[in-house]
Amino acid sequence: NAGVTQTPKFQVLKTGQSMTLQCAQDMNHEYMSWYRQDPGMGLRLIHYSVGAGITDQGEVPNGYNVSRSTTEDFPLRLLSAAPSQTSVYFCASRAQPGLAGNEQFFGPGTRLTVL
Amino acid sequence: AQTVTQSQPEMSVQEAETVTLSCTYDTSESDYYLFWYKQPPSRQMILVIRQEAYKQQNATENRFSVNFQKAAKSFSLKISDSQLGDAAMYFCAYRRITGGGNKLTFGTGTQLKVEL
Repeated sequence: NAGVTQTPKFQVLKTGQSMTLQCAQDMNHEYMSWYRQDPGMGLRLIHYSVGAGITDQGEVPNGYNVSRSTTEDFPLRLLSAAPSQTSVYFCASRAQPGLAGNEQFFGPGTRLTVL
Repeated sequence: AQTVTQSQPEMSVQEAETVTLSCTYDTSESDYYLFWYKQPPSRQMILVIRQEAYKQQNATENRFSVNFQKAAKSFSLKISDSQLGDAAMYFCAYRRITGGGNKLTFGTGTQLKVEL
């Protein structure tokens, strides 16, 4: 199993450009999430999905879109990049609820810089 | 809303010594999970240890153990026999058991340095 994979690892954008951060998992996990990590602020939840076709907003959703057409993939779209979106982005997944304490697996992260 | 507080931005420990990282949290839930994650310079988030709030016994994983004080809403991590490979950023995190989707609420982290 590859676990949770993210592409690209690094990306530089200009203000106003759009792009998609890719996330895939091969563990058949129902739950997937996107977090951003900023210095001194820990990780904050952007969007999450509890299954294919179901998504919801997290703590900091503005400026980001998501969709979940398959169990495996959960892309994060930046429609019009802004310097405030410069951050490290993590995708995470875990098995469906009911499994006590089931672990959340994180991808390796994408470092995004918006100029 | 749940909050997680780590009041120690940086800690240092001598190799082979013991260090304790502090974490407090605020919640109105009675059942939840608490976690400690390690983030080395590679950026990978690695689960170190987890605690179910309904369990009174403190979780232990090899050299890592927690002191879980539910009434005080405190969840500290003790690292025994510290090794150079333990140097990393450590995050305390909280998750509800029901509802809340996949949301982990993180503290701001403690940077642990291990000295020879």
